[in-house]
Amino acid sequence: AQSVTQLDSHVSVSEGTPVLLRCNYSSSYSPSLFWYVQHPNKGLQLLLKYTSAATLVKGINGFEAEFKKSETSFHLTKPSAHMSDAAEYFCVVSDPLGTGGFKTIFGAGTRLFVKA
Amino acid sequence: DADVTQTPRNRITKTGKRIMLECSQTKGHDRMYWYRQDPGLGLRLIYYSFDVKDINKGEISDGYSVSRQAQAKFSLSLESAIPNQTALYFCATSGTASNQPQHFGDGTRLSIL
Repeated sequence: AQSVTQLDSHVSVSEGTPVLLRCNYSSSYSPSLFWYVQHPNKGLQLLLKYTSAATLVKGINGFEAEFKKSETSFHLTKPSAHMSDAAEYFCVVSDPLGTGGFKTIFGAGTRLFVKA
Repeated sequence: DADVTQTPRNRITKTGKRIMLECSQTKGHDRMYWYRQDPGLGLRLIYYSFDVKDINKGEISDGYSVSRQAQAKFSLSLESAIPNQTALYFCATSGTASNQPQHFGDGTRLSIL
């Protein structure tokens, strides 16, 4: 069965320190994995995606994520947090279906707080 | 202009009223989706449409209906609104493959009193 677990509902870091947002997934196939960011009063914006090419994926705003199949993880990292990174982050898995469609599951989200 | 536009952005209404939320897109995508977002629950799929003639129920379709008027337009209706439908609603579009991301509107905040 397909599922996504974001291991922390809230993460708090100081500006200039590293960010780690954790995501584990389960999938019966070779999934596509995404991270989205949501700022207040805005829709979700794509940060990065993994689609079976390089396991280390670079995204916008200095974020990157590493696909680890053996650990079924897709953690999001950034070397140095900025105040503007404060937002909610969603890990998403998408699997193809035999019918030609696909199924997408969203994690519950991790809210990132950045302290000055 | 935004690729995915939702109207209205905010709506307050009373229990029992009929409400329509509208979504239009300029991405040229065939696939469109409606989600609701509740704190701590992430996004849950209400309905999705793979093309104008194809409408499918998502995981929480009870109490909702949709209409795909054209490739670019996908509306969500609450026939008789109830307070537990108070939530943030998002429309999204995507291409046809599982490795293509979804593109979201800015959401409609709906409050039902």
